[in-house]
Amino acid sequence: EAGVVQSPRYKIIEKKQPVAFWCNPISGHNTLYWYLQNLGQGPELLIRYENEEAVDDSQLPKDRFSAERLKGVDSTLKIQPAELGDSAVYLCASSLGLTTEAFFGQGTRLTVV
Amino acid sequence: DAKTTQPNSMESNEEEPVHLPCNHSTISGTDYIHWYRQLPSQGPEYVIHGLTSNVNNRMASLAIAEDRKSSTLILHRATLRDAAVYYCILRSLTGNQFYFGTGTSLTVIP
Repeated sequence: EAGVVQSPRYKIIEKKQPVAFWCNPISGHNTLYWYLQNLGQGPELLIRYENEEAVDDSQLPKDRFSAERLKGVDSTLKIQPAELGDSAVYLCASSLGLTTEAFFGQGTRLTVV
Repeated sequence: DAKTTQPNSMESNEEEPVHLPCNHSTISGTDYIHWYRQLPSQGPEYVIHGLTSNVNNRMASLAIAEDRKSSTLILHRATLRDAAVYYCILRSLTGNQFYFGTGTSLTVIP
């Protein structure tokens, strides 16, 4: 079975440009997470979906970040406009239930120049 | 969400057992204890999780203190491929998120 798939794997953009990341979770997993990981730090939650509903987006900088999960499956995370400080790894994860483990994708490494 | 405390780094010799400690003194009764590890340029990888009883799987063992305020991840024979950052995480059933700290960076010495 395929794991969590993220694309692109790497992205380099100029500041003030928009960027989007895509995530395909494991089939049947209702919960989807987007995390941000800065160098040398642990991942930090940006947003959590239960099916298509964003149930925890308190850490998402809504002035420039947005996310959607259409039909409760794939998800897209967007930044517009990107800033230098947004350079980081963006991780997507999914889980089946409250007592099960989460599976993480490889992440998208964003570099803003 | 309850937080965890781990040593920043640890070293182990190859083929020896490794005990990675984690303190979680503010754990609540419904918090599950999860362990993940992350290799360079990879996403976090699930290792093991438990609630109250000790757990074993093909990767590791998880020993949970009777009061649940601490736990230990046990790698029975460290290999070079086990060199990674290990995160001890409490997962709240109400919050349903995984809170990562800074983890323990494990170095395996050949």
